[in-house]
Amino acid sequence: RKEVEQDPGPFNVPEGATVAFNCTYSNSASQSFFWYRQDCRKEPKLLMSVYSSGNEDGRFTAQLNRASQYISLLIRDSKLSDSATYLCVVNKISSGSARQLTFGSGTQLTVLP
Amino acid sequence: GAVVSQHPSWVICKSGTSVKIECRSLDFQATTMFWYRQFPKQSLMLMATSNEGSKATYEQGVEKDKFLINHASLTLSTLTVTSAHPEDSSFYICSAGPFAGGPHEQYFGPGTRLTVT
Repeated sequence: RKEVEQDPGPFNVPEGATVAFNCTYSNSASQSFFWYRQDCRKEPKLLMSVYSSGNEDGRFTAQLNRASQYISLLIRDSKLSDSATYLCVVNKISSGSARQLTFGSGTQLTVLP
Repeated sequence: GAVVSQHPSWVICKSGTSVKIECRSLDFQATTMFWYRQFPKQSLMLMATSNEGSKATYEQGVEKDKFLINHASLTLSTLTVTSAHPEDSSFYICSAGPFAGGPHEQYFGPGTRLTVT
């Protein structure tokens, strides 16, 4: 089983649509959770951290369910510029450091005009 | 925000040669940096953790003698791909973060696209 699993998509949605991405992680001891976005042939950029109480940043809402080991990202009123691959990222508990990140394979989103 | 740079942004080399990639933290000091590799249509895979002043920690399956990491200062880590082969062609990305007990956010360099012919 992969440490972090995501639906690869692709998701093709019209402008203005609401789209949700899901992610599950296998290590119950994981401490930190993030959503990154990666544009084609570019480096990942931090979109938002995910907190237990859920958090919102403009059109983006992230949720964490520790009991189910499940993370979600909701994008409202999607824009053309939201087209990218969204990476679910969990910190990896390993000997020596809690700072290593494990990436999901990413969910590709295309917002259509 | 934290800025991480990488050089070169792309490189083409012949099979058997070595390539050095630099990763710099521009506005913060990083005792730890990370090196990732990403093949087309795949996610980032952690290769190694680079520790300033000590040996790097390599992930399982990553050859430490092939991928040499040096972290000689708090703002610079280098990855040298020795005796490169076509299967080493990939997107190499480094990351670092202010850390300091924070939520472990990391910031990524722009990546280096390596093509071995």
